[in-house]
Amino acid sequence: AQSVSQHNHHVILSEAASLELGCNYSYGGTVNLFWYVQYPGQHLQLLLKYFSGDPLVKGIKGFEAEFIKSKFSFNLRKPSVQWSDTAEYFCAVIPRAGGSYIPTFGRGTSLIVHP
Amino acid sequence: KAGVTQTPRYLIKTRGQQVTLSCSPISGHRSVSWYQQTPGQGLQFLFEYFSETQRNKGNFPGRFSGRQFSNSRSEMNVSTLELGDSALYLCASSSSQGTIDEAFFGQGTRLTVV
Repeated sequence: AQSVSQHNHHVILSEAASLELGCNYSYGGTVNLFWYVQYPGQHLQLLLKYFSGDPLVKGIKGFEAEFIKSKFSFNLRKPSVQWSDTAEYFCAVIPRAGGSYIPTFGRGTSLIVHP
Repeated sequence: KAGVTQTPRYLIKTRGQQVTLSCSPISGHRSVSWYQQTPGQGLQFLFEYFSETQRNKGNFPGRFSGRQFSNSRSEMNVSTLELGDSALYLCASSSSQGTIDEAFFGQGTRLTVV
């Protein structure tokens, strides 16, 4: 069974600092990769996704992620965070083979950005 | 258009009781998925229903069950509640099966088991 590790459970940054949240997965086959964000009191929403092609994907609100196949990683980055980026971030994986669409999520990273 | 609606928003139950949570998907969406969110485990997939049939199931005990009605509304039931079932239960709807990138999530039902 696949698993997803998000190594940083809590991250605290000041505004304008750069952000990188780690995500590693364990699965031998091809996967689709996702980052979701959950702002305080709001519903979960998709930040970006990777299915194939350019391993550097850009999402909403200035976020990007890079898929490094050899490292089984899909780290989320933002060059300059804002107070409004305070939220919980989840990485997720879905295997492409087998016809099963069961997503596996990481435990989440809580990001607090100080103004 | 109206979003995914989950009711109730908050619920307190006693160990051993059962609970039913409801999810109304976005109009026209036929797929409904359920997730359990806890601080320790993050988000875990429970099951997905599409056109009234369970299509995928996560690794949860049989105490967790669900169903979907002909209008695509879905209910999730947890029997014999345990303290560890305390969590935020999220529902997501999408137009197609297995497309979480196109899914819209509800705000969840916060279940507390005492």
